[in-house]
Amino acid sequence: QSALTQPASVSGSPGQSITISCTGTSSDVGNYDFVSWYQQFPGKAPNLIITEVSRRPSGVSSRFSGSKSGNTASLTISGLQAEDEADYYCCSHAGYTNIFGGGTKVTVL
Amino acid sequence: EVQLLESGGDLVQPGGSLRLSCAASGFVFNTYAMNWVRQAPGKGLEWISSILSSGYDTYYADSVKGRFTISRDNSRNTLYLQMHSLRADDTAIYYCAKGVKGAYPDWGQGTLVTVSS
Repeated sequence: QSALTQPASVSGSPGQSITISCTGTSSDVGNYDFVSWYQQFPGKAPNLIITEVSRRPSGVSSRFSGSKSGNTASLTISGLQAEDEADYYCCSHAGYTNIFGGGTKVTVL
Repeated sequence: EVQLLESGGDLVQPGGSLRLSCAASGFVFNTYAMNWVRQAPGKGLEWISSILSSGYDTYYADSVKGRFTISRDNSRNTLYLQMHSLRADDTAIYYCAKGVKGAYPDWGQGTLVTVSS
């Protein structure tokens, strides 16, 4: 049950697009279309922004999109805004368990 | 509106025990799977346990298996986490979350467990 691999940090200028990768194995990301993404601000609980690889829950900005190829899932933030500066976590279902990524800090330059 | 309110976090000595509770409201509790997720200070999220709606099916991360027990009382709309043999690396904010298969749209505010002598 090793954590999924995410880059520790990603940065971009306002208006740019950034992509955060989430690499797992054929036992988790590669085997299930149940990959979720969370946004977390300091001192707050996580907020679900993507579920089932690419589905946005109601109320989540269309600037957030998800995809998956093989054992790697990705979150893309388009039209980066200052308010997007936060920590982002992926999470994959893995049969009888669920596994989070180590988290990525997004900085808006 | 879904509300999840954790309680029970405290300072406990290594080897000690603690029971966390999560009071749920705003949805039909006995129809949803529930989960515990923790976050050590300055660290990432870690899924630790899930329980299906009936309470009969439970799942655990290897890091807590055999030490922690998840349960629920559907008559009281409450989720529990009984923790034994606590270690320093169990120090974390413990969140309860509603959902399945890693997709948790609703979270509580968390309760802090500190394991230290």
